[in-house]
Amino acid sequence: QVQLVESGGGVVQPGRSLRLSCAASGFTFSTYAMHWVRLAPGKGLEWVALISYDGDNKYYADSVKGRFTISRDNSKNTMFLQMNSLRAEDTAVYYCAKSLTGGYYHGMDVWGQGTTVTVSS
Amino acid sequence: DIQMTQSPSSLSASVGDRVTITCRASQSIRYLNWYQKKPGKAPNLLIYAASSLQSGVPSRFSGSGSGTDFTLTISNLQPEDFATYYCQQTYSTPFTFGPGTKVEIK
Repeated sequence: QVQLVESGGGVVQPGRSLRLSCAASGFTFSTYAMHWVRLAPGKGLEWVALISYDGDNKYYADSVKGRFTISRDNSKNTMFLQMNSLRAEDTAVYYCAKSLTGGYYHGMDVWGQGTTVTVSS
Repeated sequence: DIQMTQSPSSLSASVGDRVTITCRASQSIRYLNWYQKKPGKAPNLLIYAASSLQSGVPSRFSGSGSGTDFTLTISNLQPEDFATYYCQQTYSTPFTFGPGTKVEIK
């Protein structure tokens, strides 16, 4: 079945780095754009980043631009989120999600279970 | 960036009620999606492109609107519908979400 599984979350000190992974299965990963979305404690959903099906185009939320990098390895059906210079406000559950269609515009239809990132000294 | 607002921020309703949630964008958009979020679970896509029902979503959910004003309607509210609902624009990056509307049991 179609599935996304995130990994790599944990507790990290402010200013340090963390790399999240999202392993995809059950669909042709290389033909879909992919997203990262996060949910901070007591807050609402926040879109974080988007990568095109081929990895050529990447877009970021203003809150993470310059600190986070999205990437993908289509040969391994895996997407990544490299998070540098982490701040307390980056504490959240991070979800990876698949675009409904090959483009960007029609929302995200498949989500992982989420991985928790806690930034604390 | 496009800002999204939702109203109300929360509401209390009974099983069988008809519920309407409004989402407004700070500028005209063409692509608007609705998600349901329950605690401890991943978000679930309900409606895409303002009014298209996602596969597998019950027909009591419907979406409408265009330009800057959009609506999610849940007719005949069921016990499993108590959750938080988010709109999201995917017209222009960054793809912003609304702040959410929590639907609680009256």
